[in-house]
Amino acid sequence: DAKTTQPPSMDCAEGRAANLPCNHSTISGNEYVYWFRQIHSQGPQYIIHGLKNNETNEMASLIITEDRKSSTLILPHATLRDTAVYYCIVRGLNGGTSYGKLTFGQGTILTVHP
Amino acid sequence: GAVVSQHPSRVICKSGTSVKIECRSLDFQATTMFWYRQFPKQSLMLMATSNEGSKATYEQGVEKDKFLINHASLTLSTLTVTSAHPEDSSFYICSASSMTGSFKGTSGGLFGPGTRLTVL
Repeated sequence: DAKTTQPPSMDCAEGRAANLPCNHSTISGNEYVYWFRQIHSQGPQYIIHGLKNNETNEMASLIITEDRKSSTLILPHATLRDTAVYYCIVRGLNGGTSYGKLTFGQGTILTVHP
Repeated sequence: GAVVSQHPSRVICKSGTSVKIECRSLDFQATTMFWYRQFPKQSLMLMATSNEGSKATYEQGVEKDKFLINHASLTLSTLTVTSAHPEDSSFYICSASSMTGSFKGTSGGLFGPGTRLTVL
């Protein structure tokens, strides 16, 4: 699976949009971009994933560049409860025994302040 | 809806004892379950992958005789930390994956809430 690079930390004001970048320059054609977040002392929570088109759900939007070498997770109106570590993960949807296996990097610590 | 649960959420034990952690998939069948470990201020590290009815596959550096994994059914996997020592104190997290991947998150795995193990 391709390696990702994220800034170690970011700050955001409550109510503003939080834009979290991720570089994945070695991504291959069949690999998806996943975003998870982990609130302190909890298990990771799935946010969104995509292949090449931009995606949006009730939690966030995912913008993937045309060359697929980077992406941005957007939380449109950040709240204090969005303070967490955000992980960008790239992996293929291969079948077999490794289906669902994820390799976590260090992620980005997002702090939303009042 | 589909959820992954873990039990217990927190356990404190004496050095040398064994501890069993359960991971259950609710409202879906988990063909594969993953066990992760997370030390303070570090990221999640995959320990092992277990497929229902098969022996678990352990990541390099993880002692299979110390961390016993059983995945006897499509809804339950257990991790037993045998002869636990203080260095085994950590946050243990399981995730469950379904081959059908028909609902949100399963293609990336649904995670349990984690179990905090403290070995005195």
